[in-house]
Amino acid sequence: GAGVSQSPSNKVTEKGKDVELRCDPISGHTALYWYRQRLGQGLEFLIYFQGNSAPDKSGLPSDRFSAERTGESVSTLTIQRTQQEDSAVYLCASSLGGRYDEQYFGPGTRLTVT
Amino acid sequence: GNSVTQMEGPVTLSEEAFLTINCTYTATGYPSLFWYVQYPGEGLQLLLKATKADDKGSNKGFEATYRKETTSFHLEKGSVQVSDSAVYFCARGKAAGNKLTFGGGTRVLVKP
Repeated sequence: GAGVSQSPSNKVTEKGKDVELRCDPISGHTALYWYRQRLGQGLEFLIYFQGNSAPDKSGLPSDRFSAERTGESVSTLTIQRTQQEDSAVYLCASSLGGRYDEQYFGPGTRLTVT
Repeated sequence: GNSVTQMEGPVTLSEEAFLTINCTYTATGYPSLFWYVQYPGEGLQLLLKATKADDKGSNKGFEATYRKETTSFHLEKGSVQVSDSAVYFCARGKAAGNKLTFGGGTRVLVKP
């Protein structure tokens, strides 16, 4: 596809369950980012992948959050033992990897923890 | 710490009015600065950017100038249209990795 895609678009889960969110970046983009947007708030950086380098995990809020990326393709964000405060829109973005390169955002996954 | 502060909304304007959305940042060094826009029902997209002091980013009639002395990157448009109704986010990028720090967003509603 032409843009960044994410799945599922919506996810409702019970507190304590694990969830997995998927991101397909734009082909050829070496950099991939995950952000979180809570209701009425700005975006928070979570994690960044650049090529084969070790990911920058400095934004992950707790050890319940983890993410993986296979090469320069798909990434999955996993949240274990979900809590209500995890409810948010999770956005993925990709870029060519240069310092000033535009980040292209996916439509997001809206996660609701009940 | 490193942060971005932008004026809270909602901002309600009439068509053809002048729009300003203030944005200030804190950072060490020389970050790159961005304005992103989220139209209703759509994903976040880049509106404009500036990568060094005194640079002016512009797109779709919007402008913002990188002011290092005031650490600001205010967004302006001289004559808004109904189609400009959206949420606008100011953001700064770090030198390493360019991970973005966003402001809280400003909702703009333009009435005909």
